[in-house]
Amino acid sequence: EVQLVESGGDLVQPGGSLRLSCSASGFTFSGFWMSWVRQAPGKGLEWVAIVNQDGTEKKYVDSLKGRLSISRDNAKNVLFLEMNSLRVEDTALYYCARGRKGSMRGYYFDFWGQGALVTVSS
Amino acid sequence: DIQMTQSPSTLSASVGDRVTITCRASQSVSTWLAWYQQKPGKAPKLLIYKASSLESGVPSRFSGSGSGAEFTLTISGLQPDDFATYYCQQYNTFSPWTFGQGTKVEI
Repeated sequence: EVQLVESGGDLVQPGGSLRLSCSASGFTFSGFWMSWVRQAPGKGLEWVAIVNQDGTEKKYVDSLKGRLSISRDNAKNVLFLEMNSLRVEDTALYYCARGRKGSMRGYYFDFWGQGALVTVSS
Repeated sequence: DIQMTQSPSTLSASVGDRVTITCRASQSVSTWLAWYQQKPGKAPKLLIYKASSLESGVPSRFSGSGSGAEFTLTISGLQPDDFATYYCQQYNTFSPWTFGQGTKVEI
């Protein structure tokens, strides 16, 4: 059974930093692109970042580029998201999701974790 | 960025109804479109990919259609378990990949 379990969510002051983790099990983690998708309270879904199987290719949503870093540890089956210079508007539930290749350059997401809550507030 | 617009934003329906949700893209995404279901407090669940392909384990009352810039998700015979919010997502190209704003199906 595929399982994705996020951790690291917390209350952070504006300007602060945080690292989220996602522990994966039930599938060959190193064989899949992995992504983060966030959802602000009461709002819709926003794709944030994705990393390829060996961590050498990374993509980010433009609005967050420069403040995020996605990485992975295939030996430990863990996905990470480091967030810096956090803003109040970054408050959201951050989901870890497994990517499935659809188009030549497109991925959709076939398994999701339950999310890690990041609250940015003073 | 490719903008995805869903309609309606909220839909009131009864058990047994046939329900249709529309998703429109700001430019063609071919058939590179997925649909997800999200229940309150839960993670999204993949229902449909490539516009009309049913994900394994998803009931056959769910179906998707469309191509280019207009797509529909149809639930034939709404069940109590289907009251949820539904999102479309385009993955045609890295623009980045974007979701619709969601359609809440309520009683």
